[in-house]
This record gives sequence, structure tokens and C-alpha cells, in this order.
Amino acid sequence: NAGVTQTPKFQVLKTGQSMTLQCAQDMNHNSMYWYRQDPGMGLRLIYYSASEGTTDKGEVPNGYNVSRLNKREFSLRLESAAPSQTSVYFCASTLGRGSLYNEQFFGPGTRLTVL
Amino acid sequence: TQLLEQSPQFLSIQEGENLTVYCNSSSVFSSLQWYRQEPGEGPVLLVTVVTGGEVKKLKRLTFQFGDARKDSSLHITAAQTGDTGLYLCAGGNPGAGSYQLTFGKGTKLSVIP
Repeated sequence: NAGVTQTPKFQVLKTGQSMTLQCAQDMNHNSMYWYRQDPGMGLRLIYYSASEGTTDKGEVPNGYNVSRLNKREFSLRLESAAPSQTSVYFCASTLGRGSLYNEQFFGPGTRLTVL
Repeated sequence: TQLLEQSPQFLSIQEGENLTVYCNSSSVFSSLQWYRQEPGEGPVLLVTVVTGGEVKKLKRLTFQFGDARKDSSLHITAAQTGDTGLYLCAGGNPGAGSYQLTFGKGTKLSVIP
């Protein structure tokens, strides 16, 4: 099992460009999450999908959109990138419904720089 | 809004020393998890504690959940360079179909040989 995979691993954008970060999990998990991690700020939730077909905003959703394409895949889109979106982005998944403790499994991250 | 405060924020120790990292909240959590994140990688789950007063051991790491389920600690005995990383605590309340975790900001541990 690959667990949670993310592409790309690194990306440099210019202000105003758009891009989509891809995430896939092969653990048959119901819930998936997108976080950003910035120095001194910890992990902040951008969007999550409790189950296939549903998405909800997290703590810092502005400037982002998401798509739960199917049970395996959850993508994050930046429509018009801004320097404030320079960060490391992590996708995570958890069993969700049926899970007692919501233990999350993380991907390796995407390091995004917006110039 | 539930918050988890971790202390210290940074810790630099010599190999062989002992250390304790704390995770505190004013809120009750039904479970608390500890993750370790190595540079350039995603967080990896170390342990989940669910019962007030619970103690779990993972080799040289000892995790404790407070009696009131509002705080937790991680104690490392005889630290090794391989323990270097960012330690994150996360609290969960899987009610109402939320399945979200509240993360602390982390303790960055450096173990010097």
C-alpha cells in the first residue's frame, strides 16, 4: 500500500497563476483533509471532506477550492496564487465514520512557493 | 474554539538526556494523539491515548493522558539523534460526524550527538 500520495512534491508559481494539488489514498478511508503548515503556525485546516460527495471549509479556506473526485482522490485548487499562499501543503486521510479516534495518515507534502 | 498549547516550542538537548514535552488545553478531548514529523516529511502517528490517566510506552517514549483528559505529556528517556523532529499533539472529538483534529503548534526537538 502506498498510503497517501501527493503530487507535485515541489512547485514554484508566479502571482496570479493557478494550479491544482493532487492527493490520493489507497486505504479505503472515508474522510480526507487539506492542511497548510507555516513556521510558528502549526497545521491549519484548509478544507476537508467527511465522506465522498461532501466538502466543508476549515480554518483558512479563502483563496482555495477543493474537489472530492471519488473516494480515493481529493484535490486542492489555487485559482489565483498569492505570495501569502507560499507554504507546505499536506493531505491527510482517516477512516472517518466507523473510526473511534480519527487517527490521520499524512502524505509527504507539497512545497509551494509563490513569487 | 478548542486550542492545544504545546511547550516548550523548541528544545535542544544532548544525546542521552531525558526530556518532557507538554500539551495543554482548557477543553476536554475524547482522545489525544501524538505525531512525529521529520524534516521534509508528513507527520506520522506515534500513539493515541483515550482514557484519563492512561500511560502508554513506546520503547523509550512514555505518553500520559491527564486525568481530566485536557492535557498530555510525552517523556523521552535517554534521547537519541534519531528522536530529532517536530512533535505534534492533536485532540479529537469524533462526534456529530466531524472527524476533525485540533493540532498544537508543535515542539521542535534537536538531539545533539
